[in-house]
Amino acid sequence: KNEVEQSPQNLTAQEGEFITINCSYSVGISALHWLQQHPGGGIVSLFMLSSGKKKHGRLIATINIQEKHSSLHITASHPRDSAVYICAVTLNTGNQFYFGTGTSLTVIP
Amino acid sequence: EAQVTQNPRYLITVTGKKLTVTCSQNMNHEYMSWYRQDPGLGLRQIYYSMNVEVTDKGDVPEGYKVSRKEKRNFPLILESPSPNQTSLYFCASSFGAYTTTGAQYFGPGTRLLVL
Repeated sequence: KNEVEQSPQNLTAQEGEFITINCSYSVGISALHWLQQHPGGGIVSLFMLSSGKKKHGRLIATINIQEKHSSLHITASHPRDSAVYICAVTLNTGNQFYFGTGTSLTVIP
Repeated sequence: EAQVTQNPRYLITVTGKKLTVTCSQNMNHEYMSWYRQDPGLGLRQIYYSMNVEVTDKGDVPEGYKVSRKEKRNFPLILESPSPNQTSLYFCASSFGAYTTTGAQYFGPGTRLLVL
């Protein structure tokens, strides 16, 4: 049983396309995180949110607490956006993290 | 430069030979954590620490030990490694007593192969 589910698992897009990655969770959370893992393996945190919407450059993250769902959007996608995007949640019962298995994004020029 | 460092980056060892992977952060973060990443399973939390001398189990703590004697360091100890501990390991840290106060900063990863 996975506490965090992501879709799609793999995604190929043409440069310039609008991209959406979805994350659903089944547990009570205090925060949801979106991470980016580069092809070389390094992981960076993109967003941490507990309500509403956050925007950073071409990236937008939204969360709907009632529906237990979050989306990561990439506008005007670029080949440098090619990476694995990982959704993670912090449980509201403690300080543990649970992770989705990631969405592998390839943006073709 | 704010960073989380891990050593070694790559390690090949044999079953049963004790090893330690070090993790250090220079951001005065209170929260530190260890994760392992395996194909098809994603990232899973091994242990975390809320502050000095405060550690707790994550999702997959079996076969691992940690200690937090100083705020900046959080070593991961495998006392008797087994092949099923072959994995990519990440250390991470964040501000505050609660993870919700800030984003996690990840180390570069340690790739471990246990023969």
